[in-house]
Amino acid sequence: QSALTQPPSASGSPGQSVTISCTGTSSDVGGYNYVSWYQQHPGKAPKLIIYDVSRRPSGVPDRFSGSKSGNTASLTVSGLQAEDEADYSCSSYAGSNNLVFGGGTKLTVL
Amino acid sequence: QVQLVESGGGLVKPGGSLRLSCAGSGFTFRDYYMSWIRQAPGKGLEWVSYISNSGTSIYYADSVKGRFTVSRDNAKNSLYLQMNSLRAEDAAVYYCALERVNYGYDIWGQGTMVTVSS
Repeated sequence: QSALTQPPSASGSPGQSVTISCTGTSSDVGGYNYVSWYQQHPGKAPKLIIYDVSRRPSGVPDRFSGSKSGNTASLTVSGLQAEDEADYSCSSYAGSNNLVFGGGTKLTVL
Repeated sequence: QVQLVESGGGLVKPGGSLRLSCAGSGFTFRDYYMSWIRQAPGKGLEWVSYISNSGTSIYYADSVKGRFTVSRDNAKNSLYLQMNSLRAEDAAVYYCALERVNYGYDIWGQGTMVTVSS
């Protein structure tokens, strides 16, 4: 149950786009289309923003999009806004009823 | 509205025990899988355990297997986590979470802090 690999930090200016990667293996990210992404502001609980690799829950702006290629999933935030500054974590089903998370990426809006 | 509220966290000595509770409201509790997920200070999220809607299927992360026990009482709309033989590395904010999409948690509680220290 190794954690998925995310860059510790990412940044962008307002209006720009930023992409955060989440790298796993063929046993988790590459093996299933069950990648989710969460946004977490300091001191708050995580909020689901992407599930099933690219689906958005109701109420999540379409500025947030997800994709996957091989063993790497990606979250793209377009049209960056100040309120997008937060920690972003990915998760993936890893088979045998296990779920694995990434270490999280701190997104800074410059 | 859909809500989860955890309770039961606190300070416990290494080797001690603690029981966390999570009360659900605003949804049909008995219809959904529930999970416990934790986050150590300054660290990433870690899935701990999940339990099926009926309670008949239960799974644990290797890091807590044999020490933690998850259970639920659908009549009381409540989820529980019994934590025994606690270690320093178990110190974290523990969240209960509702899985209404495939392996994704769309509703989280506010979290309850567990501190393990002598």
